[in-house]
Amino acid sequence: EPEVTQTPSHQVTQMGQEVILRCVPISNHLYFYWYRQILGQKVEFLVSFYNNEISEKSEIFDDQFSVERPDGSNFTLKIRSTKLEDSAMYFCASSDEYHYSNQPQHFGDGTRLSIL
Amino acid sequence: KQEVTQIPAALSVPEGENLVLNCSFTDSAIYNLQWFRQDPGKGLTSLLLIQSSQREQTSGRLNASLDKSSGRSTLYIAASQPGDSATYLCALRQSTFGDGTTLTVKP
Repeated sequence: EPEVTQTPSHQVTQMGQEVILRCVPISNHLYFYWYRQILGQKVEFLVSFYNNEISEKSEIFDDQFSVERPDGSNFTLKIRSTKLEDSAMYFCASSDEYHYSNQPQHFGDGTRLSIL
Repeated sequence: KQEVTQIPAALSVPEGENLVLNCSFTDSAIYNLQWFRQDPGKGLTSLLLIQSSQREQTSGRLNASLDKSSGRSTLYIAASQPGDSATYLCALRQSTFGDGTTLTVKP
């Protein structure tokens, strides 16, 4: 069964540095999402992306964050000037229809980001 | 602002028991509600998705119901198995998640 893949599985970065998290969504999917889960807390929506632009973003997704689909397969999340509180598990997901549909999302296994 | 609450936070049952997990939400204007399973160190696996116009969805031993008027959804698991042990999350419109219920099924 096709799956969403995320790399790396664990990223350790010094505070203040930039980090890029990478995702390869399922190939025929059109909608892409990023979520984060701080240890022991809820899964939080960051952003959704369709047709090469952001469809929706949460309050968390401020100017520190950006997303890009640099080619036909990758979907990236860039975090600039990382802070200690950015430490979390970051999940990528994709679906072939949007929020209002009956098509489920498919999630990757996540990238654990540790800011030192 | 939409709030999602899941009760109980943790549940431990013997194998074979039927069980119900609860999800409540504050704003009935939803598009869909999705139940996920999360295994330790893994991503989320979608179990069932109920659209706003639907009352329930079934997949194998799982049945999810939706009552918008009362702001509630339930996930019913029949004949539980140790392999069902995981954290179960409900989410509205793919953007608002509950804290989850951690289920342990004892052999």
